[in-house]
Amino acid sequence: AQRVTQPEKLLSVFKGAPVELKCNYSYSGSPELFWYVQYSRQRLQLLLRHISRESIKGFTADLNKGETSFHLKKPFAQEEDSAMYYCALSGRGGGFKTIFGAGTRLFVKA
Amino acid sequence: NAGVTQTPKFQVLKTGQSMTLQCAQDMNHNSMYWYRQDPGMGLRLIYYSASEGTTDKGEVPNGYNVSRLNKREFSLRLESAAPSQTSVYFCASSLGQDQPQHFGDGTRLSIL
Repeated sequence: AQRVTQPEKLLSVFKGAPVELKCNYSYSGSPELFWYVQYSRQRLQLLLRHISRESIKGFTADLNKGETSFHLKKPFAQEEDSAMYYCALSGRGGGFKTIFGAGTRLFVKA
Repeated sequence: NAGVTQTPKFQVLKTGQSMTLQCAQDMNHNSMYWYRQDPGMGLRLIYYSASEGTTDKGEVPNGYNVSRLNKREFSLRLESAAPSQTSVYFCASSLGQDQPQHFGDGTRLSIL
C-alpha cells in the first residue's frame, strides 16, 4: 500500500541554521514525489518535485530509493520559511492517486 | 487568472442538513480532486476526477458524492451532514494525474 510518513509534526530551528524535513514513503514501483508548502493565510502550493531536480527558495530534495526517502533540506533557514510542509506521492501503481503525509510545521526563530 | 476557486469559504451546518461545495478551475486542467484536511492527518483524498466525465473514490469517500459538471467544475455534496465531517475541504486540479496540483483556498465547514 502507498504511504507517506512525515515523522515530525513540528520542527523548530533558529534563523541561519540548517533544516531537514523528513519524508519516508512506501510504494511499489517508481513514484512521483512532491513537496507542497502552505504559508500562513496562503494556498497550498507546490514547492518542488523530484523529477525536476530544482532548487526552489534554497530548498532541495533528493529521492533516495534505497532508503525510500525524499527529505527536504535547506542549508540556512530564513524566518519566511516558517510554514506547513507536506510531502506527497503519486504513481501508476496507485492509480495515480496522490497520497499526502500528515505534514510538518516548520517554525524558524529569529 | 483565478486558478482554483472554491465557494463558500465558510459554512456552518446542522447535523442532517445537505450542502454542495463548489469548485471551478480556469487552467484547462483535466484532473480535479477533493480533499479534507484534519489536524494531524494531512490531506486525505475524498474523490477525484481524472478527466471530464469520470469520477472515482479516494481514501475517504463515505458520506460524500461528487459531480464533474464539465471540464471546469467539480462539486462535492454532503447529503446528510454529520459532525465527523467537520473539516477544511480543499479542491485541487492538475493537468494530468501525475502532475503537480493547484489548490483552492479551502472551505471551512463546521457541523453542529
